[in-house]
Amino acid sequence: KAGVTQTPRYLIKTRGQQVTLSCSPISGHRSVSWYQQTPGQGLQFLFEYFSETQRNKGNFPGRFSGRQFSNSRSEMNVSTLELGDSALYLCASSLLTGELFFGEGSRLTVL
Amino acid sequence: AQKVTQAQTEISVVEKEDVTLDCVYETRDTTYYLFWYKQPPSGELVFLIRRNSFDEQNEISGRYSWNFQKSTSSFNFTITASQVVDSAVYFCALVTGTYKYIFGTGTRLKVLA
Repeated sequence: KAGVTQTPRYLIKTRGQQVTLSCSPISGHRSVSWYQQTPGQGLQFLFEYFSETQRNKGNFPGRFSGRQFSNSRSEMNVSTLELGDSALYLCASSLLTGELFFGEGSRLTVL
Repeated sequence: AQKVTQAQTEISVVEKEDVTLDCVYETRDTTYYLFWYKQPPSGELVFLIRRNSFDEQNEISGRYSWNFQKSTSSFNFTITASQVVDSAVYFCALVTGTYKYIFGTGTRLKVLA
């Protein structure tokens, strides 16, 4: 069974640019959530989608947005990048039982 | 407010020692779930256990055991006879009916040979 796939794995952007990250969940999983992981802040919840609807979001500025498609694939977008956005962005999918299955993450570096 | 606190930033033990990772949570919800995840050096987080708020039974799985106490809002994780392969960052997490996961800041465990 294929796991959660995130693309790209690594990317480098400059301040002011925007970035789109993609996540393909495990087949059959309809919930997808996103997290930002940084050394100082740990894992912080960005948002969660279920059947194309955002059910909750974390405390991030509006520059962070996401969406989910009808096939459960999800994307997140960060506009007007800042140096502080450098982080590992993790996507996770889950069934109703709630346990998360994580991808390997997309490591974003903002210069 | 909902919060998960893992006060131990880093723990070092010698192989075969027992080690307990602490997790304290805060929530006003009566229905919630608690989780532990492991993030080895390779980076991918791995699910370890889920416990709902109505089930305070302790659980043992091999060398791993979990102690859930609602009275102290704690969900501690013990590794018995630690091994080098246990070296990782361990995260405790809380989720309520709002589908919002709250993670602790993690505890880095180093098991020395």
